[in-house]
Amino acid sequence: GAVVSQHPSRVICKSGTSVKIECRSLDFQATTMFWYRQFPKQSLMLMATSNEGSKATYEQGVEKDKFLINHASLTLSTLTVTSAHPEDSSFYICSANRDRGSSDEQYFGPGTRLTVT
Amino acid sequence: RKEVEQDPGPFNVPEGATVAFNCTYSNSASQSFFWYRQDCRKEPKLLMSVYSSGNEDGRFTAQLNRASQYISLLIRDSKLSDSATYLCVVTSGTYKYIFGTGTRLKVLA
Repeated sequence: GAVVSQHPSRVICKSGTSVKIECRSLDFQATTMFWYRQFPKQSLMLMATSNEGSKATYEQGVEKDKFLINHASLTLSTLTVTSAHPEDSSFYICSANRDRGSSDEQYFGPGTRLTVT
Repeated sequence: RKEVEQDPGPFNVPEGATVAFNCTYSNSASQSFFWYRQDCRKEPKLLMSVYSSGNEDGRFTAQLNRASQYISLLIRDSKLSDSATYLCVVTSGTYKYIFGTGTRLKVLA
């Protein structure tokens, strides 16, 4: 159990367009999901914490108007990169914390590789 | 100072060798600690949680030293398939993960 999916796995878009990435917990409910970004040869950096039914909490330096997060159900969170630019090209990974789980372990999705041309 | 620090490596070791990684963290209030493994262009996968009493899973042993604020990972009898980046993770507050930069391991035939 504890499978998290992401869609799409890879996307190429033109500068100025918006891209939506979906994160789903397939076999458990997750009130809290997390969005990370990873640039080449760097570690994962937390962008925001997504909470079902309320506004996301963004980390310092992450523009909430550029990275829109919606957590409309207990199994789905979406990240929309608005007006994407080449510097937004990165590996975006979501994770979910299982509701009523016995630990704070996060389960990671397979990631979405975004390339902005 | 970074919240979680690791030696980026790479550590190049021959098959069968024993290799150890350390990770230091700055927040003494951190509650949970993990080692994750990340293969190139893939998501991180949980390798093991780390407890004060230490824990072992096959060839892998993890230790936590709260007094000195570091955690360690020991890999015995290295296999080629162990080649990956090993990420140290420390929690901050409720559920929030702080990742180290990762240590690259290359096991050589």
